[in-house]
Amino acid sequence: DTAVSQTPKYLVTQMGNDKSIKCEQNLGHDTMYWYKQDSKKFLKIMFSYNNKELIINETVPNRFSPKSPDKAHLNLHINSLELGDSAVYFCASSQASSYNEQFFGPGTRLTVL
Amino acid sequence: AQKVTQAQTEISVVEKEDVTLDCVYETRDTTYYLFWYKQPPSGELVFLIRRNSFDEQNEISGRYSWNFQKSTSSFNFTITASQVVDSAVYFCALSDYRTGGFKTIFGAGTRLFVKA
Repeated sequence: DTAVSQTPKYLVTQMGNDKSIKCEQNLGHDTMYWYKQDSKKFLKIMFSYNNKELIINETVPNRFSPKSPDKAHLNLHINSLELGDSAVYFCASSQASSYNEQFFGPGTRLTVL
Repeated sequence: AQKVTQAQTEISVVEKEDVTLDCVYETRDTTYYLFWYKQPPSGELVFLIRRNSFDEQNEISGRYSWNFQKSTSSFNFTITASQVVDSAVYFCALSDYRTGGFKTIFGAGTRLFVKA
């Protein structure tokens, strides 16, 4: 029974397209996150949501728009994709805050051509 | 500013050797939490340990042990008798009060190769 799931696992698309990544957790957590991991494995927080409300937006371009329809879901929509958006995107969740351990999804590898 | 430094980019050891992964952190807060995560070649991130700033007791879990020293702002991770399955990228991370408890800063990671 997957705790944090993401779809799709792989995404290959052309520059300028719009794409979405979906994330769902069945752990009953109230806090969810999006991270970007670049080709050098550097992991950086993009967004944090608590009880469906945006708490952290880590200077991410407006082309990235997260949406949390409920506490169990946090989706990421990306407009006008650029080459530099190519990365692995991880969704994660935790109970209450990032003071607690985070459970990560399997990641979505986005390749922009 | 908050910062996590993992100075070792890559470490290569032979199976059964002990290996220590270094982590140095910076924060102005007195309340903070430190973590280690493992990312095996399959790509998922797995939680290993959490420590809060008020608990400097070292921890041992099987072949894994952690040494937390506030005096040197370090939270080092030792694998005893390493195995091939320990090959992974290991991340040290920090979440402190100043960031409101909703932001985790990760170090750049240390890639560990364990050769048979």
